[in-house]
Amino acid sequence: QVQLVESGGGVVRPGTSLRVSCEASGFHFSSYAMHWVRQAPGKGLEWVAVIWYDGRNSYYADSVKGRFTISRDNSKNTLYLQLRSLRAEDTAVFYCARGDNNRLDLWGLGTLVTVSS
Amino acid sequence: DIQMTQSPSSLSASVGDRVTITCRASQDIDFYLHWYQQKPGKAPKLLIYDASNLERGVPSRFSGSGFGTDFTFTISSLQPEDIGTYYCQQYDNVRFTFGPGTKVNIK
Repeated sequence: QVQLVESGGGVVRPGTSLRVSCEASGFHFSSYAMHWVRQAPGKGLEWVAVIWYDGRNSYYADSVKGRFTISRDNSKNTLYLQLRSLRAEDTAVFYCARGDNNRLDLWGLGTLVTVSS
Repeated sequence: DIQMTQSPSSLSASVGDRVTITCRASQDIDFYLHWYQQKPGKAPKLLIYDASNLERGVPSRFSGSGFGTDFTFTISSLQPEDIGTYYCQQYDNVRFTFGPGTKVNIK
């Protein structure tokens, strides 16, 4: 079954760190670029980061550059997002998505990260 | 950075109506424009890619057109299961940007 399953979300204090994960199955993970997209409560979609299929290149939205790090382990079919120096405005559902020629053609169900004191 | 606008921000239409949403880019993006549907409480789903190509398995009542800076998304006959929010998305120079979304309701 072709799917993406995120995990690792939770409630954290401002200024702390968290790592969310996305496990892929049913397709050749190491052939695809992978993205993280977030959605704050009641708001629209915000692209966060992308990592190339081989992990050699990654790019970030200006809003998270320097605080978030995207990575992948192709041997484990898993995508990661390390979130640091978290702020209340980072509260969101984080989706991972498969990239295919600059479109996002497969999405996970998301994991909720809540930053609150 | 390229900015995306969508109009309207929301609409209500009757079942069977033709619904049209527009998306405008602040710079020429060629045909690198995609459309997604997000039903309430669900993950987004790709409907149209490269401005006018229907994703596999998506009903043919959905269509897209446009090139450059102005794009249109159409539902030819609105169905109850089409309620949700629709987003356009562009790609330019390793930056991916979503439009603000258009919320579609049934009248």
